[in-house]
Formats: sequence, structure tokens, C-alpha cells
Amino acid sequence: QSALTQPASVSGSPGQSITISCTGTSSDVGGYNYVSWYQQHPVKAPKLMIYDVSNRPSGVSNRFSGSKSGNTASLTISGLQAEDEADYYCSSYTSSSTLVFGGGTKLTVL
Amino acid sequence: QVQLQESGPGLVKPSETLSLTCAVSGYSISSGYYGGWIRQPPGKGLEWIGTIYHSGSTYYNPSLKSRLTISVDTSKNQFSLKLTSVTAADTAVYYCARLVGATNGDYWGQGTLVTVSS
Repeated sequence: QSALTQPASVSGSPGQSITISCTGTSSDVGGYNYVSWYQQHPVKAPKLMIYDVSNRPSGVSNRFSGSKSGNTASLTISGLQAEDEADYYCSSYTSSSTLVFGGGTKLTVL
Repeated sequence: QVQLQESGPGLVKPSETLSLTCAVSGYSISSGYYGGWIRQPPGKGLEWIGTIYHSGSTYYNPSLKSRLTISVDTSKNQFSLKLTSVTAADTAVYYCARLVGATNGDYWGQGTLVTVSS
């Protein structure tokens, strides 16, 4: 299975909004509403930020939102804060009953 | 509260077997959640290794399937990973996670670094 495609890096200034894309195929992202997004700070375990495309776990800021169109899912962070600087990974369920991650996107808050 | 803790050797010799255990507390493995293993080579991204249900049903990454066994021990509330014939490419931080509906990891262990070297 091939990794989902994410941009290597994105950046934004405090207060701005950014969007990270996650492109797969009709066998994963496009075929199921089981896309998750994780935030990972250096030497920390990943933290679930969005599940099932657009749902936020309890305790996650409403500045984080998710969506999907066709084979591409997106994570949007509004009102950027310094603490949002981290690596972000998408994942999707696949038609083979497996999971696949994206390559990761490094978010820099300028 | 929910906690997961990985344990196992931090150093494994090439061609040998990597064995890790994930001890779960704060919920019962038999309560309907899946257990997952994910790894992250130094400086690289996340790679899904495999998933197990309390019934013993397993789902493996096709690229690792021939070398991989994931098992569950409901009496000890833990699940385990065995990866045979390891090489330097298997050097990574290994995480275990609780998976909801087998698709999203809502709780993760802190991760354990396993280095494959002679």
C-alpha cells in the first residue's frame, strides 16, 4: 500500500489559517469516511486531532477542522498559535482492512 | 485514566526477533476497542504495523506480514508484537495505541526506541 500524499511543509503567521491536504485513492480516502489527523510535537507521541473526516475528540480546540472532497482530505487550522507548530499526519482506513498514513507535514508558525 | 505502556528490549541484533508488549490500564481490552502498533524510524514519518481485536482477529501491513505476529492476552490486558528477521531498517520508535473502530488512535503509549544493531 502506498502512503497518502501530504505536502512536506506549510507555514503561516499567528492568527492566520492554514490547510494541509492529504491525497489518496478511491480505495482509501475516497472510499471511506475514516480519515484521521494527528499532531506530533518533537519526541512526543502523536495526538488525535480529527477522526472520521471531521469529528473533534473532546478537548481538541475548535480551531481544528477537517473535511474531504473526493480522494483528498484536508485539515484546517484557524487562528494559528505558536503551540500549533508541529508535524501533522493523516491516516485512512483502506479497502484491504488496513490503515495507511500520510508522509507527514511540518507546520511552521512564523 | 487510560494508559498504554510499551516494553521490550531496546537493542536487537540483525536477523533476530523483535518482541514488544503493550500493557493497557484504565479500560478492558475486551470492551470492544482494537489495539494497534505503529512505528516511526528516526527523523521519518509514521508507519502502521498492524491491528488486533480482542477476539484475536489481526490485520497486518502487507509489507511486514511475512515477518509479523500480533497477539492479545485478555487475562493480562495486554497485546504483543513479534517481528522476525529484523534489519537496520526496522530501527524505530514503536508505539502502541488504542484504536476506536480500528480506524483512529485515541490513546497512545509514549513509544519505545528499538535499535537493530550488532
